[in-house]
Amino acid sequence: DTGVSQDPRHKITKRGQNVTFRCDPISEHNRLYWYRQTLGQGPEFLTYFQNEAQLEKSRLLSDRFSAERPKGSFSTLEIQRTEQGDSAMYLCASSLSYAGQSYGYTFGSGTRLTVV
Amino acid sequence: AQKITQTQPGMFVQEKEAVTLDCTYDTSDPSYGLFWYKQPSSGEMIFLIYQGSYDQQNATEGRYSLNFQKARKSANLVISASQLGDSAMYFCAMRPQSNFGNEKLTFGTGTRLTIIP
Repeated sequence: DTGVSQDPRHKITKRGQNVTFRCDPISEHNRLYWYRQTLGQGPEFLTYFQNEAQLEKSRLLSDRFSAERPKGSFSTLEIQRTEQGDSAMYLCASSLSYAGQSYGYTFGSGTRLTVV
Repeated sequence: AQKITQTQPGMFVQEKEAVTLDCTYDTSDPSYGLFWYKQPSSGEMIFLIYQGSYDQQNATEGRYSLNFQKARKSANLVISASQLGDSAMYFCAMRPQSNFGNEKLTFGTGTRLTIIP
């Protein structure tokens, strides 16, 4: 078990370009979360998956954002037509929900996006 | 809705001293969990300690302990014998205890702790 992996660690993109981030959760975890953290703030919830189903999206997730988790394994977060306001750290977390108990809530190292 | 308040934007503490980081919360959920995370400059969120709302005893993990006062809705983090490596941002967070719903975390704004040699 190598923990939650995120790729890339850093991404610099020009305004208007599309970007995609990847998150590989802990293998036995069935829940996966995406958060966004802007400078000087705590992380804010974006969306979450239970296995492959995307069950909730925050109002922060505009229609330029899309997330997938095919086959309930890794997840991707895509931002289309990036704006300077999208510059932030994007964090992924995973947890296991089983038999009425929740276990773990482990974060990855994040992807730092800079839109220039 | 859940809310976390951390009123200390920054703290400076002498090495080897104990430090208390404040956290108060507000929620209407009957069952919830409280977390503390450490975020060094590299950006990763490192789990420190967890307290369930129905846990009878305060949580402890090595040098970390959580001073949980349910009636006051506070969940302060105590770090004993601080070390230079403790310098980082510290976030308090909570989640509803829901096995069938979204267990998203709500975070405070954080406290930047600096340990002075």
